[in-house]
Amino acid sequence: EAGVAQSPRYKIIEKRQSVAFWCNPISGHATLYWYQQILGQGPKLLIQFQNNGVVDDSQLPKDRFSAERLKGVDSTLKIQPAKLEDSAVYLCASSLIRGNGFGANVLTFGAGSRLTVL
Amino acid sequence: KQEVTQIPAALSVPEGENLVLNCSFTDSAIYNLQWFRQDPGKGLTSLLLIQSSQREQTSGRLNASLDKSSGRSTLYIAASQPGDSATYLCAPVKAGNQFYFGTGTSLTVIP
Repeated sequence: EAGVAQSPRYKIIEKRQSVAFWCNPISGHATLYWYQQILGQGPKLLIQFQNNGVVDDSQLPKDRFSAERLKGVDSTLKIQPAKLEDSAVYLCASSLIRGNGFGANVLTFGAGSRLTVL
Repeated sequence: KQEVTQIPAALSVPEGENLVLNCSFTDSAIYNLQWFRQDPGKGLTSLLLIQSSQREQTSGRLNASLDKSSGRSTLYIAASQPGDSATYLCAPVKAGNQFYFGTGTSLTVIP
């Protein structure tokens, strides 16, 4: 099966500019996640979608970050305006919900989008 | 909020050694726990998933254990190889399919 696709792989922008990242999850995966991974740290959840509804966006800086998942498939994460501390790798992941939502749900990651803010 | 700690932060071993990576988490109300591997500049790859009802899971040279009540998991790597060099992350999974990641253990296997 095809993996989780992300683009662009690399992006360099100046502070206060905007940037958008795109993710196409594995076909049929209902749950989609955006994580931010700063160098030397573990991934931090920004937002979790179940189909096209938001499950958790408690750690999303909503004054500058936005995300949407149209038609429950592809997703876009936007940052506007960017700050220096937004320099990180933005990881998209997807998961198949089985049964009642619990159980062996393996998380599959894309290769990530590396953002550098100058 | 789930806090995940991984010890050690970094580990360097000679090829052929057996090693253990540790993961501890504060909220034991989890449904399963996954171990991931991350190579430099790449995304995360799932290695093992342990259901909350299981105590161990094995895949090749990897063996993961889970003690849910004490909030601990270990990843045992047997006969380490240079290709095992990577960062290993654990992620306890709570209701709603919510994954919480530790900061990882950076492993270097020296030929």
